[in-house]
Amino acid sequence: GESVGLHLPTLSVQEGDNSIINCAYSNSASDYFIWYKQESGKGPQFIIDIRSNMDKRQGQRVTVLLNKTVKHLSLQIAATQPGDSAVYFCAESLPGQNFVFGPGTRLSVLP
Amino acid sequence: EAGVAQSPRYKIIEKRQSVAFWCNPISGHATLYWYQQILGQGPKLLIQFQNNGVVDDSQLPKDRFSAERLKGVDSTLKIQPAKLEDSAVYLCASSLALSGNTIYFGEGSWLTVV
Repeated sequence: GESVGLHLPTLSVQEGDNSIINCAYSNSASDYFIWYKQESGKGPQFIIDIRSNMDKRQGQRVTVLLNKTVKHLSLQIAATQPGDSAVYFCAESLPGQNFVFGPGTRLSVLP
Repeated sequence: EAGVAQSPRYKIIEKRQSVAFWCNPISGHATLYWYQQILGQGPKLLIQFQNNGVVDDSQLPKDRFSAERLKGVDSTLKIQPAKLEDSAVYLCASSLALSGNTIYFGEGSWLTVV
């Protein structure tokens, strides 16, 4: 039968290009957001976080943008490398509440 | 700093059998979580502990799943009896405090029920 949930959104980018992974979050009162990277056979790995009092936060080769007006979060990866190939999850939390994870986006880096 | 440790990494059991997973969180982390991740989906919270007390187990199927953190450090998640739909990765995670803190995950325990 059909395997619901296996058809992750996939983003394919050329090595060296920039990647933008998008996430629509559900609750306008969410105040803390995290991006995780999950490689095959491994647990989710923290990449970068942002709180709702910020619009942008930069890390090493990664930038997270938060648009509270449209409840949208994005992760930008500069100069994408083969090692960036993974599934990326956004997670949101309300004040005092647990994180809720999005469905994930698979990033494939083409040589 | 050592990360979240989990064992076993892989387990295959027959339906109706039982299985137990162990987790040791990051040292000093008061909050411990067990998540279930079905293939192709994001992690789903099963249970959350603050020290040795349960904070949230609303999504834990209590007829077959149980978890404990008796001394407020290590934790065990048990499934008995297992069903085919329990095939998933069981992720343990920890954070410094209850909310507003980054959650750090272990590598997961991969369960296949046949």
